Amino acid sequence: GAVVSQHPSRVICKSGTSVKIECRSLDFQATTMFWYRQFPKKSLMLMATSNEGSKATYEQGVEKDKFLINHASLTLSTLTVTSAHPEDSSFYICSALAGERGTQYFGPGTRLTVL
Amino acid sequence: TQLLEQSPQFLSIQEGENLTVYCNSSSVFSSLQWYRQEPGEGPVLLVTVVTGGEVKKLKRLTFQFGDARKDSSLHITAAQPGDTGLYLCAGVAGTASKLTFGTGTRLQVTL
Repeated sequence: GAVVSQHPSRVICKSGTSVKIECRSLDFQATTMFWYRQFPKKSLMLMATSNEGSKATYEQGVEKDKFLINHASLTLSTLTVTSAHPEDSSFYICSALAGERGTQYFGPGTRLTVL
Repeated sequence: TQLLEQSPQFLSIQEGENLTVYCNSSSVFSSLQWYRQEPGEGPVLLVTVVTGGEVKKLKRLTFQFGDARKDSSLHITAAQPGDTGLYLCAGVAGTASKLTFGTGTRLQVTL
């Protein structure tokens, strides 16, 4: 099956710093990737759609200048949380679109803690 | 905005019991997927249903897509502790690839 990795798996940073999270499709190419955020004991909320070679499409209420997305290649999308604050602490999950049916394959997630 | 409401939100049962999780919406979906997620991990796809009335079985799990493609159910027979996790339904509307996730059902199966 299609495998998606994320790095790092968990990160702790100080308030005001920026954090970059990588999402890679390991055995397939993905022109479209998605970034989700999940709060404890809650469901996944779509933040943005990442398209290779073009600007990301952000969901309503998600600050594009706060959450920078770059999809520079067919196997890599990055999410940078700029000037992170404690309220940005969350579980960030990416997915990559694969196959004719457009199935999303999910990464293992990145736990961000902002002190 | 498409909303997918799952019920129950939380279910604690003993090994061997049966259970059903419901996923309801007022919107029509072209397909619906069920995922299971364990703490600290990403969701894992269990099944995709695309045809109204479709029933799919995966060992002890039975998935059904409503005739009108607005709702779905997941039935687990003889639950085991390994079934413990967060169950999420997610729908795709139209030809877009975006997933709308349900509110989630947290299942705990004890010995």
